[in-house]
Amino acid sequence: QSALTQPASVSGSPGQSITISCTGTSSDVGGYNYVSWYQQHPGKAPKLMIYDVSNRPSGVSNRFSGSKSGNTASLTISGLQAEDEADYYCSSYTSSSTSVFGGGTKLTVL
Amino acid sequence: QVQLQESGPGLVKPSQTLSLTCTVSGGSIGSGSYYWSWIRQPAGKGLEWIGRIYTSGSTSYNPSLESRVTISVDTSKNQFSLKLSSVTAADTAVYYCARDAGDCDFDYWGQGTLVTVSS
Repeated sequence: QSALTQPASVSGSPGQSITISCTGTSSDVGGYNYVSWYQQHPGKAPKLMIYDVSNRPSGVSNRFSGSKSGNTASLTISGLQAEDEADYYCSSYTSSSTSVFGGGTKLTVL
Repeated sequence: QVQLQESGPGLVKPSQTLSLTCTVSGGSIGSGSYYWSWIRQPAGKGLEWIGRIYTSGSTSYNPSLESRVTISVDTSKNQFSLKLSSVTAADTAVYYCARDAGDCDFDYWGQGTLVTVSS
């Protein structure tokens, strides 16, 4: 299985909104509403931010939102804050009953 | 609050078998419809899903690792384990265990343990 495709980096200024894309195929992202997003700060374990395309776990800020169109899922962070600077990963369920991650996106808050 | 903790050797010799255990606390590993997964991350690189096990014992593995991976569960100890055989330097990574809520939603993670493959 091939890793999902994410941009290597994105950046934005405090208060702005940014969107990170995650592109797969009809065998993963496009075939199921089982895309999740994770935030990882340096030296820390990943944290679930979005599940099932657009659902937020309890305790996650509503500044984080997710969506999907065709084979591409997206994570949008509005009202950027310095603490949002981190690596972000998407993952998806696949038609082989496995999981696959994206390559990760480094978010820089300018 | 569910907590996961990885344990095992931090150094493994090439060609040997890497063995890690994940101990789950704050809840029974056998309760609920959860899968239990292993995920790894080489230094400076992205996450790679290794595989998962259900409490019934059914497993699913990353096709690229399937020939070398075995994941097992011991519900009496509230633990699940990873074995990766014939390791090389490319298997050097931080290994995480995580709970999968069912649709590849990894909602609880261990802190991660670094395993280095070197002679």
